[in-house]
Amino acid sequence: DAKTTQPTSMDCAEGRAANLPCNHSTISGNEYVYWYRQIHSQGPQYIIHGLKNNETNEMASLIITEDRKSSTLILPHATLRDTAVYYCIVRDYGQNFVFGPGTRLSVLP
Amino acid sequence: GAVVSQHPSRVICKSGTSVKIECRSLDFQATTMFWYRQFPKQSLMLMATSNEGSKATYEQGVEKDKFLINHASLTLSTLTVTSAHPEDSSFYICSANPGSVGSGELFFGEGSRLTVL
Repeated sequence: DAKTTQPTSMDCAEGRAANLPCNHSTISGNEYVYWYRQIHSQGPQYIIHGLKNNETNEMASLIITEDRKSSTLILPHATLRDTAVYYCIVRDYGQNFVFGPGTRLSVLP
Repeated sequence: GAVVSQHPSRVICKSGTSVKIECRSLDFQATTMFWYRQFPKQSLMLMATSNEGSKATYEQGVEKDKFLINHASLTLSTLTVTSAHPEDSSFYICSANPGSVGSGELFFGEGSRLTVL
């Protein structure tokens, strides 16, 4: 079973920041938080991952709370091409990636 | 990021026939590859772990004699759906972890959509 809970769906206006929350209250000390997204009929695309510190790359920022029980993926300026299902996954190195239902993000013009 | 490629992207076959799907890591070697299946409007479900040079490890409920996995080289794993039936119609996705890169992110192929008539 997935170790995370996410809202089923979210809307975001084009050009605005999209903030996608994820709860992982049972996360253990060695487990990383990964984010992937899946555009319709494509394989999942890696976005970002982190352990404790906030992370930023060219795609997004990952904010992890101090107690690590939740995190937020931030797409700073959402475009229509960011419409996808976003998966938050908690995983220790060497474990399998277990996908939950994810959040269906719709970026609206 | 690392590149994983699948072929074919789409395949239609008649019931009772077998279909082979290839998964290649293009710019890294992968001793382990993973096969997922995704039904419409559902999430990805891990089917099996493909191990180079040894037998695959199947998840509970996945028939190993129906979904044959061969991982003959460090860059190629194949999934063969034997005696396919309409209920096997699904989106099959492979993935691999370039273990020498980063801290274990998994890279996915484009997926292969199987339709069994």
